[in-house]
Amino acid sequence: DAMVIQNPRYQVTQFGKPVTLSCSQTLNHNVMYWYQQKSSQAPKLLFHYYDKDFNNEADTPDNFQSRRPNTSFCFLDIRSPGLGDAAMYLCATSNRRGSEPQHFGDGTRLSIL
Amino acid sequence: AQKVTQAQTEISVVEKEDVTLDCVYETRDTTYYLFWYKQPPSGELVFLIRRNSFDEQNEISGRYSWNFQKSTSSFNFTITASQVVDSAVYFCALSERGANSKLTFGKGITLSVRP
Repeated sequence: DAMVIQNPRYQVTQFGKPVTLSCSQTLNHNVMYWYQQKSSQAPKLLFHYYDKDFNNEADTPDNFQSRRPNTSFCFLDIRSPGLGDAAMYLCATSNRRGSEPQHFGDGTRLSIL
Repeated sequence: AQKVTQAQTEISVVEKEDVTLDCVYETRDTTYYLFWYKQPPSGELVFLIRRNSFDEQNEISGRYSWNFQKSTSSFNFTITASQVVDSAVYFCALSERGANSKLTFGKGITLSVRP
């Protein structure tokens, strides 16, 4: 089945140790998004790619970066994770921005020791 | 600026009861899109429905139905004969048209269906 796949499902890292989360899609969608979701909150958009065009949200910390080497894959890099970065990270895709529904992966739950 | 309000935070019902989840939105655009997503305890967000601003027709899909009323800026979601598997957090979301559009979520409603 066509889908959005996030790896790993759970990630534990140490305070300050860089970590990379990955997302792949078989939907061939143009747009890929990364969201951060903390407990009992709505997802918060960090950034998105429209094809190769990177779009950062104004309030996304510099600590968070992203790479999209090809249509299928997108990575979220957290350069120096702090305790406040512990959250669920959701990847989503859509064919267009705005009008089309976003399709989400299962998420990666990140813990910081 | 766009905004979505889900005034209910938690709802608890007994199985087989009907339940309505409210959603009120604000936007200055005449073209916009409304969505409902379900987030079960496992964490993934599941897309349920999309409505565009020009289509006020209500929709029914099995036990789910949606009532879109532009006059009151509301897009309510009703689950008929609720089941335990309906227990989840439900998010209403709004997106405007355009390259800079993004999905604005409400705060979500936690629905618990007790056997």
